[in-house]
Amino acid sequence: DGGITQSPKYLFRKEGQNVTLSCEQNLNHDAMYWYRQDPGQGLRLIYYSQIVNDFQKGDIAEGYSVSREKKESFPLTVTSAQKNPTAFYLCASRTGVDEQYFGPGTRLTVT
Amino acid sequence: RKEVEQDPGPFNVPEGATVAFNCTYSNSASQSFFWYRQDCRKEPKLLMSVYSSGNEDGRFTAQLNRASQYISLLIRDSKLSDSATYLCVVNSDSWGKLQFGAGTQVVVTP
Repeated sequence: DGGITQSPKYLFRKEGQNVTLSCEQNLNHDAMYWYRQDPGQGLRLIYYSQIVNDFQKGDIAEGYSVSREKKESFPLTVTSAQKNPTAFYLCASRTGVDEQYFGPGTRLTVT
Repeated sequence: RKEVEQDPGPFNVPEGATVAFNCTYSNSASQSFFWYRQDCRKEPKLLMSVYSSGNEDGRFTAQLNRASQYISLLIRDSKLSDSATYLCVVNSDSWGKLQFGAGTQVVVTP
């Protein structure tokens, strides 16, 4: 089955620790995206990548980092510099047209 | 001002009734428009794209009004399974950077 997978579904970390969220797709999509969703708010773009080895900051990149070494993979690291990391993180990829398709998300809780 | 604005609702709709709601966008250069559906604690899923001429998919009808910069979604013969949050999504550039509204919650009641 083709799709986007994110792991883990739930993640708990202590404040001050870096954490990496996984995103893998087997849809052969060139573009991949990371969003953050907070309760009652729309999705906000963290980083996006149009091709391998290239990525751009989105609207709220501070405190996050990404890599795109393979077409299928776009991991997101939430660093200790991110002031409010607790959120629902969604990875998406894009077909040749405009629609984006989302993975199931990772709920990160930092205490 | 937010780029995409939606009435958060909730819209409480009796089963079988019709519900409609709008979404406004601020960037007049926006090219692509979508409605996504998001169930509680799940990822958004594409419901339908919105075309200039308006389009229909079963019980769902989407309209675009470029002059007034809004899109609309109408749901006919509402089902209990239509209960969800509906996200208005606008694409304003070629890089696929989508702008999301905060969503309109629809609750269909028996």
